[in-house]
Amino acid sequence: AQKVTQAQTEISVVEKEDVTLDCVYETRDTTYYLFWYKQPPSGELVFLIRRNSFDEQNEISGRYSWNFQKSTSSFNFTITASQVVDSAVYFCALSESSGANNLFFGTGTRLTVIP
Amino acid sequence: DTEVTQTPKHLVMGMTNKKSLKCEQHMGHRAMYWYKQKAKKPPELMFVYSYEKLSINESVPSRFSPECPNSSLLNLHLHALQPEDSALYLCASSPPFGAGGVYEQYFGPGTRLTVT
Repeated sequence: AQKVTQAQTEISVVEKEDVTLDCVYETRDTTYYLFWYKQPPSGELVFLIRRNSFDEQNEISGRYSWNFQKSTSSFNFTITASQVVDSAVYFCALSESSGANNLFFGTGTRLTVIP
Repeated sequence: DTEVTQTPKHLVMGMTNKKSLKCEQHMGHRAMYWYKQKAKKPPELMFVYSYEKLSINESVPSRFSPECPNSSLLNLHLHALQPEDSALYLCASSPPFGAGGVYEQYFGPGTRLTVT
């Protein structure tokens, strides 16, 4: 059965600090997809990244970067030089190729960036 | 600006009311989803439509009735709800899934439902 663990329930950082959000997953499928979503206080889930299980290249997008390591079943998300607008709940999610595009979410990490 | 819209933004209804939530997407996607999100919890999948056909019903009570009139619209009809059904209801869309892989879903802003 699939499982996504986000052990950090809440994190607070001071503006301009770097912060890493952890995500550990479990799946029996050899082909699967990992996602990160941001949910600001307004409630809308904002798509950040999609990564398939065959692509272990790390990715950088502006202040955001992602580290995918199959050996440890982890897909961690780092925000560099955090800003107040980064304050949100961040969800890691897993979708198995054998499923109908179901997104299985972790419990989320609430990030608060203090000015 | 989101390309998935949901109406209404807020809804308060009594347990004997009938109401509907509406979702519209302008991204040309052929898969649409309903999720339910309780406070401080992750979204939970309720229904999946693929090419306007119900693909998944995650054991949702019959007081929730989905409808997909066309590829751009998704409705959720509500009847005889319970207070515990109060939640944020999120709609999402994605390209069609299948042999081509799994795609990211794009979410609307949600409808915050309160059942009294």
